[in-house]
Amino acid sequence: EIQLQESGPGLVKPSQSLSLTCSVTGYTITSGYDWSWIRKFPGNKMEWMGYISNSGSTNYNPSLKIRISITRDTSKNQFFLQLNSVTTEDTATYYCARWDVYYGFAYWGQGTLVTVSS
Amino acid sequence: DIQMTQSPASLSASLGETVTIECLASEDIYSNLAWYQQKPGKSPQLLIYYANSLNDGVPSRFSGSGSGTQYSLKINSLQSEDVSIYFCQQNYDSPYTFGAGTKLELK
Repeated sequence: EIQLQESGPGLVKPSQSLSLTCSVTGYTITSGYDWSWIRKFPGNKMEWMGYISNSGSTNYNPSLKIRISITRDTSKNQFFLQLNSVTTEDTATYYCARWDVYYGFAYWGQGTLVTVSS
Repeated sequence: DIQMTQSPASLSASLGETVTIECLASEDIYSNLAWYQQKPGKSPQLLIYYANSLNDGVPSRFSGSGSGTQYSLKINSLQSEDVSIYFCQQNYDSPYTFGAGTKLELK
């Protein structure tokens, strides 16, 4: 069974970078699908942030394009989110998920709350 | 970006009742629509994909329909465990956008 799990700091200071890891078990991220980051803001708004494909290409939400980077370590079957120059408006629960055009986001991690505060 | 307008924002219904949640896309998304259920403190779970296909393990009281720009999620015979927030989401064009969510409560 495919499982995804996010990890990383729960508190980040304004203007700093947010860095999260998604560890995937039960499926090799280079075998197929696209591997996404999604966030849910207080008040329930959901935002797709971007993905890294099984071949290593990336696709980012234009609203974040200058601040976001998604990379991977295929030896550890992990992919990563870096979001630069964060503000309090980046406070959200961050999820990693597997995406494809037919199913959408079929598998999700449990989510990790990141608070941006000084 | 494709805008997803979901209604209602909240819904109160009785056990055994049938409820319907609507989602309107700002352009044709050719059935590339998914529905998710999110319970408090949990991650979203895929209920319906490609507008009307039931994901594995999802009870048959859930169903999806629609085409073009208009889609709906129907829950027959509402159960207590269906109390959740429901989201629609389009997979037709990047950025992949979500509806604002519908909070379903028991009356």
